[in-house]
Amino acid sequence: GENVEQHPSTLSVQEGDSAVIKCTYSDSASNYFPWYKQELGKRPQLIIDIRSNVGEKKDQRIAVTLNKTAKHFSLHITETQPEDSAVYFCAASMTNAGKSTFGDGTTLTVKP
Amino acid sequence: GAGVSQSPSNKVTEKGKDVELRCDPISGHTALYWYRQSLGQGLEFLIYFQGNSAPDKSGLPSDRFSAERTGGSVSTLTIQRTQQEDSAVYLCASSPLLNSPLHFGNGTRLTVT
Repeated sequence: GENVEQHPSTLSVQEGDSAVIKCTYSDSASNYFPWYKQELGKRPQLIIDIRSNVGEKKDQRIAVTLNKTAKHFSLHITETQPEDSAVYFCAASMTNAGKSTFGDGTTLTVKP
Repeated sequence: GAGVSQSPSNKVTEKGKDVELRCDPISGHTALYWYRQSLGQGLEFLIYFQGNSAPDKSGLPSDRFSAERTGGSVSTLTIQRTQQEDSAVYLCASSPLLNSPLHFGNGTRLTVT
């Protein structure tokens, strides 16, 4: 089955700096890669996603890049703010298998 | 509109008792998922339902766990003879299609004493 590895497990940055979280996946058939943000005590919520037919997607301060050859994808957050502090999860899934396999999460702390 | 609703929000039970957790997905969403999240850990897949297809039960950790989805809508996750290691937050999610964003509920925090 699919295996998703996520790094780093914790990340601390100064407000205004950029943050990058990386994930690798094992199954080349995976073609959908969402990122979820989970604030303390709350539900995970989608922040951005990418499908395998594109290499990059951007939404304001957040971007995701995908390298299908290397089977890895990354989340980039620019101009970080304290409210970006949360746990971020990457996931991978494929058309014929509905379940999403999640990475173990990255705890991002943005210091004011 | 209404999101995914889960009940109860918290459940404390004694070891050996059975528990039922309920999930009400977003109306019209054909796919429904159960995940488990232990304290400070990631999201562990348990089971998913898609339309009238047979559910994917590959993530259920033991035969004490079962789930059903009635009428293509509400789902119930049942844990029999609960153990302390079952303590976790059980998250339900739904999506309009396979391979599309998951909409999570607030979860049920299960504590087995």
